Amino acid sequence: AQSVAQPEDQVNVAEGNPLTVKCTYSVSGNPYLFWYVQYPNRGLQFLLKYITGDNLVKGSYGFEAEFNKSQTSFHLKKPSALVSDSALYFCAVRDGGYGGSQGNLIFGKGTKLSVKP
Amino acid sequence: KAGVTQTPRYLIKTRGQQVTLSCSPISGHRSVSWYQQTPGQGLQFLFEYFSETQRNKGNFPGRFSGRQFSNSRSEMNVSTLELGDSALYLCASSFYGTGSEKLFFGSGTQLSVL
Repeated sequence: AQSVAQPEDQVNVAEGNPLTVKCTYSVSGNPYLFWYVQYPNRGLQFLLKYITGDNLVKGSYGFEAEFNKSQTSFHLKKPSALVSDSALYFCAVRDGGYGGSQGNLIFGKGTKLSVKP
Repeated sequence: KAGVTQTPRYLIKTRGQQVTLSCSPISGHRSVSWYQQTPGQGLQFLFEYFSETQRNKGNFPGRFSGRQFSNSRSEMNVSTLELGDSALYLCASSFYGTGSEKLFFGSGTQLSVL
């Protein structure tokens, strides 16, 4: 079965510093990977996805993620963090989606990002 | 274009009662999926509806059910509520389904079971 892990419950970063939120996955077949962000009292918002192609995926709000097949990782990165980036970040992998089924998303437990001024 | 709308925003129920949550997807989207979010378990997939048919189901008891109408609006029902059902229930919509598309989420319904 597919699974995804976010090893850090919380990441603390100073504003202006680079940030990384880690994600590792386990899938059979080619992975479909996603990052979503959740601000307080809001639903999730899509940041980016990797289906195929370039290992460096660029997304919304200046975020990017690097797909590493050998390490089965899909870490989220941003060169310079903003206080407004403080939120809950979820990594997700598609489960199923073969033989005509569209599958569904399996989410990690989430990582709380805190950016201090 | 209006986003995904979930009603009500907050609900307080007591054990044993039942509850119905509503989700209106983005216009033109035919897939609606539901997720339960709790601090301990994170986000867990409940089920997905596409063109009024349940296409996929997560690992939840039969007390959790749903349906989708011809206008793609979806409802989720939980019967015989338990304390552990307290959670944020999120719905998400997309054109074709959850496989490789980006999902558009509503703000959720916060259910508290007393």
